[in-house]
Amino acid sequence: DAMVIQNPRYQVTQFGKPVTLSCSQTLNHNVMYWYQQKSSQAPKLLFHYYDKDFNNEADTPDNFQSRRPNTSFCFLDIRSPGLGDAAMYLCATSRVKGSTDTQYFGPGTRLTVL
Amino acid sequence: AQSVTQLDSHVSVSEGTPVLLRCNYSSSYSPSLFWYVQHPNKGLQLLLKYTSAATLVKGINGFEAEFKKSETSFHLTKPSAHMSDAAEYFCVVNAQGGKLIFGQGTELSVKP
Repeated sequence: DAMVIQNPRYQVTQFGKPVTLSCSQTLNHNVMYWYQQKSSQAPKLLFHYYDKDFNNEADTPDNFQSRRPNTSFCFLDIRSPGLGDAAMYLCATSRVKGSTDTQYFGPGTRLTVL
Repeated sequence: AQSVTQLDSHVSVSEGTPVLLRCNYSSSYSPSLFWYVQHPNKGLQLLLKYTSAATLVKGINGFEAEFKKSETSFHLTKPSAHMSDAAEYFCVVNAQGGKLIFGQGTELSVKP
């Protein structure tokens, strides 16, 4: 089945230690998104790639970076995690960025910062 | 600008009784609207989607929603709740450029 895969499902890191979260997709979609979801809140968009074109949200901290080496993979890098970065990180994909396009979400990676 | 308001942060029903999760939207043009469900520690799963075709939209697991332009509403319903329906539900509008605008979420509890 075509799907969005995130690894690992659970990640524990130490305060200030860089961490990378991974997302892959078999849908061959052009757009890949990263969301941050804190407890009891709606997901918050961090950034997205349309093909190789990177689009950062204005309020995304510089501590968060992303890479998309090819169509299938996208990575979220947190350069110096703080306690406030503990959250669920969701990857999503869509075929294009049209208003009728559906975003398909992966299962998420829960990040714990010690 | 687009916005979404979910009118209840928490809804509790008994198994076998109807479910109603309320959502109002604001949009300057004809929106695309979605309902997603999120079970604990899981990603978001698409329940159903409205894109200006039929106003009554049927989704997975027996859920449906009706788009009412005059009331700017997109309420989610299910005739008979099941224990497995207990989860967080998000009403979402797709803004121009593909950006999703999320409601605050409604937590559905189902009592035996």
